[in-house]
Amino acid sequence: AQRVTQPEKLLSVFKGAPVELKCNYSYSGSPELFWYVQYSRQRLQLLLRHISRESIKGFTADLNKGETSFHLKKPFAQEEDSAMYYCALRDMNRDDKIIFGKGTRLHILP
Amino acid sequence: DGGITQSPKYLFRKEGQNVTLSCEQNLNHDAMYWYRQDPGQGLRLIYYSQIVNDFQKGDIAEGYSVSREKKESFPLTVTSAQKNPTAFYLCASRTHTGAGELFFGEGSRLTVL
Repeated sequence: AQRVTQPEKLLSVFKGAPVELKCNYSYSGSPELFWYVQYSRQRLQLLLRHISRESIKGFTADLNKGETSFHLKKPFAQEEDSAMYYCALRDMNRDDKIIFGKGTRLHILP
Repeated sequence: DGGITQSPKYLFRKEGQNVTLSCEQNLNHDAMYWYRQDPGQGLRLIYYSQIVNDFQKGDIAEGYSVSREKKESFPLTVTSAQKNPTAFYLCASRTHTGAGELFFGEGSRLTVL
């Protein structure tokens, strides 16, 4: 069965330090993966998609099919990055079912 | 003002009562989704629908029911069969074209007393 795993519940990083939020998935086929972010008192929103290969707010994520990972990275953390981050997988073989990991709370220390 | 609207924001019900949560979107999106968000559990998929008059069970559908009679609306009923209904419920929608990202509502918090 498809699954998304985010092993860290909480990640605390000093401002200016690099950030890496881990995401691993299990899926038979070619997955479509996403990172969503929820800032305090805001709606959950898309941060980036793997097929766009873009950098949003300094974040990037590379799909590694060999390691079945889609880790989110940023070279220099900023205080406004503090938020809840969710990795998500779209199952194109099952009517666009979209499942999420349990999320990682990123806390940027001053 | 375009978007996805959930109501009510807060809802209290007695045990054994069915409850219906509303989700409406004016984004002309084809697909709609219901998730349950519990602390430490992330978002768990309850039901989803790709087109009108069709929907599929998600991973935790037991004790819930939905309907999709109109493209804009996807109400969720939490039935008395749901063993642990107190939770935060999120509705989302997406188009089948383009980026296909999910757009989320603000959520509904249900407390069963």
